[in-house]
Amino acid sequence: AQRVTQPEKLLSVFKGAPVELKCNYSYSGSPELFWYVQYSRQRLQLLLRHISRESIKGFTADLNKGETSFHLKKPFAQEEDSAMYYCALKNGNYGQNFVFGPGTRLSVLP
Amino acid sequence: DAGVTQSPTHLIKTRGQQVTLRCSPKSGHDTVSWYQQALGQGPQFIFQYYEEEERQRGNFPDRFSGHQFPNYSSELNVNALLLGDSALYLCASSLIGRGDTGELFFGEGSRLTVL
Repeated sequence: AQRVTQPEKLLSVFKGAPVELKCNYSYSGSPELFWYVQYSRQRLQLLLRHISRESIKGFTADLNKGETSFHLKKPFAQEEDSAMYYCALKNGNYGQNFVFGPGTRLSVLP
Repeated sequence: DAGVTQSPTHLIKTRGQQVTLRCSPKSGHDTVSWYQQALGQGPQFIFQYYEEEERQRGNFPDRFSGHQFPNYSSELNVNALLLGDSALYLCASSLIGRGDTGELFFGEGSRLTVL
């Protein structure tokens, strides 16, 4: 069955420190993975997707099919990065059926 | 563009009652999906509507039903409410077909409390 796990419920780092939010998945086909973010008092929004291979707000994520992982990384965390982060797997080639992980709350301390 | 709008924002019901939640998609979007987010968990896919038909469905009982109107807006109905239905219900929209980037645009949600 399709599944997304995020082992850390809460991750606290100091400003300027590197940050890595872990995500592992199980999927029988070719996976399409995303990171969504929810800042305080805002709605859930897309941060990045593995297909586009882009860096958004300094964040990158590499799909590792061997380890079935899609960890989110940023070399120097900023206080404005504090938010709830969800890893999501698109379930199938069509439609809006996404499997979300339970989320990790990132807290960047001053 | 107001983006995805949902109503009501909060509501309280008792066990056994029925509830209807409403969603207007982002301008230009033709597809609406609904997600249930229980406290401390990620969103869980309920179903997706496109061209006024249910196209995909997650692992939810038939008590959960929906509808999409010609203007692409959508409703989620839940019958015979259970305490376990208490959650934040999120609506998400996107564009199917050539404009599909795979990105979901979410509303702010409707928080349902069942007593």
